[in-house]
Amino acid sequence: AQTVTQSQPEMSVQEAETVTLSCTYDTSESDYYLFWYKQPPSRQMILVIRQEAYKQQNATENRFSVNFQKAAKSFSLKISDSQLGDAAMYFCAYRMFSRGGTSYGKLTFGQGTILTVHP
Amino acid sequence: SAVISQKPSRDICQRGTSLTIQCQVDSQVTMMFWYRQQPGQSLTLIATANQGSEATYESGFVIDKFPISRPNLTFSTLTVSNMSPEDSSIYLCSVGNVRGVTDTQYFGPGTRLTVL
Repeated sequence: AQTVTQSQPEMSVQEAETVTLSCTYDTSESDYYLFWYKQPPSRQMILVIRQEAYKQQNATENRFSVNFQKAAKSFSLKISDSQLGDAAMYFCAYRMFSRGGTSYGKLTFGQGTILTVHP
Repeated sequence: SAVISQKPSRDICQRGTSLTIQCQVDSQVTMMFWYRQQPGQSLTLIATANQGSEATYESGFVIDKFPISRPNLTFSTLTVSNMSPEDSSIYLCSVGNVRGVTDTQYFGPGTRLTVL
């Protein structure tokens, strides 16, 4: 079974600074997807960034980027120029790649990291 | 992405009663999922709601406790039956295969359930 581990229950960062959230996972699959979701106090789960395991290039979305190390099964999220609105719980998630055409499968989530942004 | 709504947004229920949560999507989607998030915890998949067939439940979740309906490609319901305080959680629906994007799931705003 796949597992996802976020070893940092809480992190904090000063506004405008950079912070990195860690995530490791365990799988025997070679093709899969990895995601970072953000959950602010409103509890809405918001997709931050996604990475396909078959792509060596790290995904980037504006101030958010990942460091994907497939051999080490590591998938960290870097937030640059942190803003007050970045404060939230961040979840790392894994999804197996389905070869059935419909690409459906469950998300396995890590325990989450609470990010606090200080003004 | 997709616009996903859930009703109710929150509810307080008495032990032994049942609550049905609705999930509506603004476009037809092949995949709909129901997750539970217990207080301070991560998300756990309850079941996959399949259109035209029975839902597929994860280990630890049973149909008698969490019956699911999926009458069409834009709507699903999750019922939490015979509730106990341990069922107090946020329940979220998510959808996949939105407008051809098959590998990403998008989430509704969640339903916060408190059982007294």
